[in-house]
Order: sequence, then structure tokens, then C-alpha cells
Amino acid sequence: SQELEQSPQSLIVQEGKNLTINCTSSKTLYGLYWYKQKYGEGLIFLMMLQKGGEEKSHEKITAKLDEKKQQSSLHITASQPSHAGIYLCGADVYAGGTSYGKLTFGQGTILTVHP
Amino acid sequence: DTEVTQTPKHLVMGMTNKKSLKCEQHMGHRAMYWYKQKAKKPPELMFVYSYEKLSINESVPSRFSPECPNSSLLNLHLHALQPEDSALYLCASSQDPPPGAEAFFGQGTRLTVV
Repeated sequence: SQELEQSPQSLIVQEGKNLTINCTSSKTLYGLYWYKQKYGEGLIFLMMLQKGGEEKSHEKITAKLDEKKQQSSLHITASQPSHAGIYLCGADVYAGGTSYGKLTFGQGTILTVHP
Repeated sequence: DTEVTQTPKHLVMGMTNKKSLKCEQHMGHRAMYWYKQKAKKPPELMFVYSYEKLSINESVPSRFSPECPNSSLLNLHLHALQPEDSALYLCASSQDPPPGAEAFFGQGTRLTVV
């Protein structure tokens, strides 16, 4: 099954600082997703990356996909308390047959932003 | 409208009870999902429905029974659950079945089995 490793597991930053969260796959990536979750709530879709070298931005959040390294990074510029939460990377598992099309998640990164 | 609505938000049930979780979306999405999330863990896939047909069952115990009455609704019927089944149950939908389709999640149902 797809294994996604996220780092760091938790991150505490001061408001205004930049930060990066990484997601590395042990298998070939066919689609990489970033979600944000507040504790006990649903997941909020942030971005989907599909092609190597692809980069997407939304407000102060940028995500990149390095297909060769099977890795994606999520970068937040000038962090704010509203960015606090759990960031989850997800990926499509492709193994043919019944495993095709299964969105699985990394362990998540807990982000705390101090005012 | 990118909303997936789950009811109820909270549910407490005994081990002999029968209850159902409901999920609704009106985005015309053709794939719907159930995930289970334990505290401090990522969501784990349980079931995928594609075009109203069950396409993936992740070896979920039979005490969990999914149902897709139509393209907008997804139910999860619960019977004879165990305390370890207590978790946040998340429903999601996507325009097309995976891969390559972003999934939108509901707010979840917090289930406690006593």
C-alpha cells in the first residue's frame, strides 16, 4: 500500500515566519493532495498536484511536486494564527486491480502559530 | 456549492443499538467515500462508491454496512458496534472516481460507542 511520510510531525512557529512541510512517498505518485484539518472537524481541500514540477499557490500557501524525488512540499509564507491546524498530504494509490483509485493519507503535521 | 453535509454531528450508541450515519452532496459528484479517523491519526478509507456502486471495501467488518440510495446520498448503517469503533466518521465526494479527482469532505460525525 502507499506509504506517505510527512515531516515534521509538528511545527511551532512565530507569526510572520515562513515554514515548509514535506511529504515523501515510497511509491510512484499519481496525484498528490494537500488538506488542512482543524481538530475534530472535516478536511479542507487545499491543492491537487499531478505533474512533475507542478507548482500551485493559493493566498500564502504554495505547493510543489517533485516527481523524481516522489516528494511534495507545502510552503506557507508569513504565517498567521489562522494557518494553525493539521496539514495532511494524500495520494492516489495505483496498483491496478482493486487498489486503483484509493486516496490515502500521511500522518499529518500539526502546525501551531504563536501571535 | 462545494458542501458535503453529514448528520448527525454527534452520536452516542450502545453496543446493541442500530443507527445510521447520513451523507448528502448536491454537486453532481459521481464518487462518494466513507473514512474513519481515530484521534491523532489520519483518516482511513473504509468504502468507495463509484456511480452508486460499491467499488472499494477496505475489509471493513460487516457491522458497518454502507448504502448508496441515489447519486446524492450515502448512508452508513451501524449495528453491534464495539467501543473501539468510536471515532470521527468522515464522508467525502469527488466529481469522478479516483485517481486524479479532488475529494471534498463533510464535517464528520463524532461517534461514541458505550
